[in-house]
Amino acid sequence: GQSLEQPSEVTAVEGAIVQINCTYQTSGFYGLSWYQQHDGGAPTFLSYNALDGLEETGRFSSFLSRSDSYGYLLLQELQMKDSASYFCAAPMDSSYKLIFGSGTRLLVRP
Amino acid sequence: DAMVIQNPRYQVTQFGKPVTLSCSQTLNHNVMYWYQQKSSQAPKLLFHYYDKDFNNEADTPDNFQSRRPNTSFCFLDIRSPGLGDAAMYLCALGTQTYNEQFFGPGTRLTVL
Repeated sequence: GQSLEQPSEVTAVEGAIVQINCTYQTSGFYGLSWYQQHDGGAPTFLSYNALDGLEETGRFSSFLSRSDSYGYLLLQELQMKDSASYFCAAPMDSSYKLIFGSGTRLLVRP
Repeated sequence: DAMVIQNPRYQVTQFGKPVTLSCSQTLNHNVMYWYQQKSSQAPKLLFHYYDKDFNNEADTPDNFQSRRPNTSFCFLDIRSPGLGDAAMYLCALGTQTYNEQFFGPGTRLTVL
């Protein structure tokens, strides 16, 4: 089957760096996306990796290793507002559909 | 300007009483999705459209129906809501890459 695995919860201190991992098993891999969702809000797109390597967007970076079927989201200089759920997602084969990971709840402490 | 508009934002219905949720878009995208999301879970795809071509997920209950009368509007009909249907319902648009989806703010459905 197709699945994406993430840790259920991560806690970190304000100002620190945190890494949220995602391992995947999909038939036909086209890339890995990351979404952020605050409580009561809608998911918002953060980043997409089609190729191996690191993509940086401000304080957030995303990494992909196709050979390891693994990616991560790196959040630097954590702020309280970064407390949210983070989902990795991958296209289902070559369709228009995304498979979402189960989500990682990030709690940033003062 | 909002790209995906969902109405209502909060909907309360009674067990078994039909309810319709709406989604509209200002971007003229041809792919639209309906997701159900329960607390602390990932969004679960119910259906999606490519233009007017309707695609139903195999595990979407028959109780859930959808209509897309034109590119801008899409509706989710729940014919006989049960307590287990209480959730956030999210409408999303697909982009050309299909890896980035724009989500609407969602409709929170409560079933009494």
